Amino acid sequence: SQKIEQNSEALNIQEGKTATLTCNYTNYSPAYLQWYRQDPGRGPVFLLLIRENEKEKRKERLKVTFDTTLKQSLFHITASQPADSATYLCALDKTGANNLFFGTGTRLTVIP
Amino acid sequence: EAQVTQNPRYLITVTGKKLTVTCSQNMNHEYMSWYRQDPGLGLRQIYYSMNVEVTDKGDVPEGYKVSRKEKRNFPLILESPSPNQTSLYFCATRTWGEAGELFFGEGSRLTVL
Repeated sequence: SQKIEQNSEALNIQEGKTATLTCNYTNYSPAYLQWYRQDPGRGPVFLLLIRENEKEKRKERLKVTFDTTLKQSLFHITASQPADSATYLCALDKTGANNLFFGTGTRLTVIP
Repeated sequence: EAQVTQNPRYLITVTGKKLTVTCSQNMNHEYMSWYRQDPGLGLRQIYYSMNVEVTDKGDVPEGYKVSRKEKRNFPLILESPSPNQTSLYFCATRTWGEAGELFFGEGSRLTVL
């Protein structure tokens, strides 16, 4: 069956370091992948989208990679700040359905 | 301002008492969807709609109904709520046919006693 796994439920990192979050999927061939940020008690907010024919995408301190051979996406936050503390979700479309399917998320805590 | 509005934001109810969670969007999006979010299980799709009068089941549709009579509204109906439907519910919208972002509402926290 189709499955999306995000590397760990929680990740703690020191302020200023680069946070790396992993999203692995099986039995999918997504045309694109998205990353969202969710703060406690709030709805997810879109961050970045990367398509299957793109290796890397950047937006300010954020970088996303997409390896369709490994079936993996990496999400990097460089020069992390306490304000980056949140849960980060990856989402993929179900092939041909344009219907997003979410991972369980990684809760990132940036320690001052 | 682009908005997805859900009501109620918080609700405590009892088993079997029918309830409706409303969702309204002002972005003229064709696609609307309902998700529930539970600890350890993440966001799971309940139902989605590609346009007016077009709805389809997501991954966890049991115990829920939806309707899409107007483009802007997509209510979620729990005909006979049960405690296992205690959850945080999110409505989301996007433009259909493009790999665009989902816009989420603020969520509705439902407790069924």
